[in-house]
Amino acid sequence: QQQVKQSPQSLIVQKGGISIINCAYENTAFDYFPWYQQFPGKGPALLIAIRPDVSEKKEGRFTISFNKSAKQFSLHIMDSQPGDSATYFCAARGGDKLIFGTGTRLQVFP
Amino acid sequence: KAGVTQTPRYLIKTRGQQVTLSCSPISGHRSVSWYQQTPGQGLQFLFEYFSETQRNKGNFPGRFSGRQFSNSRSEMNVSTLELGDSALYLCASSLIAGIVNTGELFFGEGSRLTVL
Repeated sequence: QQQVKQSPQSLIVQKGGISIINCAYENTAFDYFPWYQQFPGKGPALLIAIRPDVSEKKEGRFTISFNKSAKQFSLHIMDSQPGDSATYFCAARGGDKLIFGTGTRLQVFP
Repeated sequence: KAGVTQTPRYLIKTRGQQVTLSCSPISGHRSVSWYQQTPGQGLQFLFEYFSETQRNKGNFPGRFSGRQFSNSRSEMNVSTLELGDSALYLCASSLIAGIVNTGELFFGEGSRLTVL
């Protein structure tokens, strides 16, 4: 299956809280899992990425957790800030195609 | 270094018309991909071009077509527009074809098409 299922569709978090976005996939041939961040009026930009031989990757306040056996991965945003308000897309690479999830709109309120 | 440039940024068409969108990739990038973004559907892959050749194609009807020029600039065309074609069309460039090596796509700000 060439799908990536992303949830939730929208997320509201208070400043300082933890934002968690989940993604699931079926194709075990996927070999690269990036997250893209998109601000209104802008194109998506690579935020952080992980390969399936690693269970966790952290960059600043952003962490990807990867569960290969469950075929799930998630993005955790610690100490969420209003500036993090954006749409987040998970993705998975199969062959030389990048399959995107449907996106999560995150709103962080002060 | 200039980013990916897409023109026009906004356009309004009526059903049955056709539209051409343009994309200039980052200098040195030879691969250009096109995506359709709609609420609830996320980013749907249209096609990818590398060295003027289409390398990959998504599941879109033949009304959607594209091409790439020798300077890596790309255009996509949608003929016989339908209401459902209203979307943000994003172009992305990468250094090497299929993002196999770099794993990163650099997106433009998109062309927002409204079909009335």
